[in-house]
Amino acid sequence: AQSVAQPEDQVNVAEGNPLTVKCTYSVSGNPYLFWYVQYPNRGLQFLLKYITGDNLVKGSYGFEAEFNKSQTSFHLKKPSALVSDSALYFCAVRETYNQGGKLIFGQGTELSVKP
Amino acid sequence: DVKVTQSSRYLVKRTGEKVFLECVQDMDHENMFWYRQDPGLGLRLIYFSYDVKMKEKGDIPEGYSVSREKKERFSLILESASTNQTSMYLCASSLYLQGAWNEQFFGPGTRLTVL
Repeated sequence: AQSVAQPEDQVNVAEGNPLTVKCTYSVSGNPYLFWYVQYPNRGLQFLLKYITGDNLVKGSYGFEAEFNKSQTSFHLKKPSALVSDSALYFCAVRETYNQGGKLIFGQGTELSVKP
Repeated sequence: DVKVTQSSRYLVKRTGEKVFLECVQDMDHENMFWYRQDPGLGLRLIYFSYDVKMKEKGDIPEGYSVSREKKERFSLILESASTNQTSMYLCASSLYLQGAWNEQFFGPGTRLTVL
């Protein structure tokens, strides 16, 4: 069965330091991978996606993610964290053959960036 | 920009009431989705629809039904609300492109409390 795992419930980072939010996935076909961010009392905002091509994907707000097929991972990264990056982050996966567009979401990782 | 709107941000209902949650998108997207979000569980798919009058069960459809009479509108119905349906409900839409990617765009969410 397809699944997504975010192994860390919370990640704490000092402002200016690099950040990584981890995601691993399990699908039977080729994955389409997504990252979303949720600020308090808001809906989810799309950050970036991997479909095919370059394993390093760049997205909104200076975020990027690296697709690693052998490790079935899609970790979200940012070189220098900002306090305003503090939010809840979700990884999601869709199978290539799923034409209904259904996504499977991880449980979320709370990112806290301290000044 | 895609806009997905939900009829209420906050809703308080009593056990046994029939509850309607409305979602409207303005970008002519074929696919629409209803999720519920609970702490530690991420987003779980309740129902989705890939066309007018079409619907598919998601992972947790029990206690819910949906209606899609027009392309832009997707309604979630709780026939008889129960306290375990207290949650944040998120609507999303996406463009269907055969064999290609389609990120979902989310509404702001409705926080439903059932007393």
